[in-house]
Amino acid sequence: KQEVTQIPAALSVPEGENLVLNCSFTDSAIYNLQWFRQDPGKGLTSLLLIQSSQREQTSGRLNASLDKSSGRSTLYIAASQPGDSATYLCARGGADGLTFGKGTHLIIQP
Amino acid sequence: EPEVTQTPSHQVTQMGQEVILRCVPISNHLYFYWYRQILGQKVEFLVSFYNNEISEKSEIFDDQFSVERPDGSNFTLKIRSTKLEDSAMYFCATRASRAFFGQGTRLTVV
Repeated sequence: KQEVTQIPAALSVPEGENLVLNCSFTDSAIYNLQWFRQDPGKGLTSLLLIQSSQREQTSGRLNASLDKSSGRSTLYIAASQPGDSATYLCARGGADGLTFGKGTHLIIQP
Repeated sequence: EPEVTQTPSHQVTQMGQEVILRCVPISNHLYFYWYRQILGQKVEFLVSFYNNEISEKSEIFDDQFSVERPDGSNFTLKIRSTKLEDSAMYFCATRASRAFFGQGTRLTVV
């Protein structure tokens, strides 16, 4: 059974800090790795998709990396803002759809 | 940005009743999915649908569940006889490369 683990489960930092969210997965035979944002009671917003042949993707202040050999991905958020407060989900893409981690609940203090 | 639309946003039903959750996929996407998220838990894969048939399904997707595209545009999830434990947020997702999620239907079984 595929497992996706996210560390930390929760994180609270002052506005302006750079931060890293971690994701690990058990199966290196992935199709892709996708990061999502989820606001309370809302749907999932896709942030970044890294194909299995890629090592990183960038969008604005976000940068995601993928290391298939170690089964790890990181999401780097630069110059954090209060609007970044949300739960961030990592999902491993395979033949059976997406396998999600439990997420990191991020709070950015103004 | 293109959107996946789900209706209704919230449905309350009595145990044993049938429910149909509806999704309008992004028009040029060919892969469709249903996921669910029980309150406080991970997002879980239910089923994937491609070329008008189920391509993968999880152990959650038992005989009580079915999916179809009744009119070539909408994508529906039917639960034949709801149970209390079916209470969850149900997300529709579609993809070309990366997955786009709808805002979800919150199903409450009483």
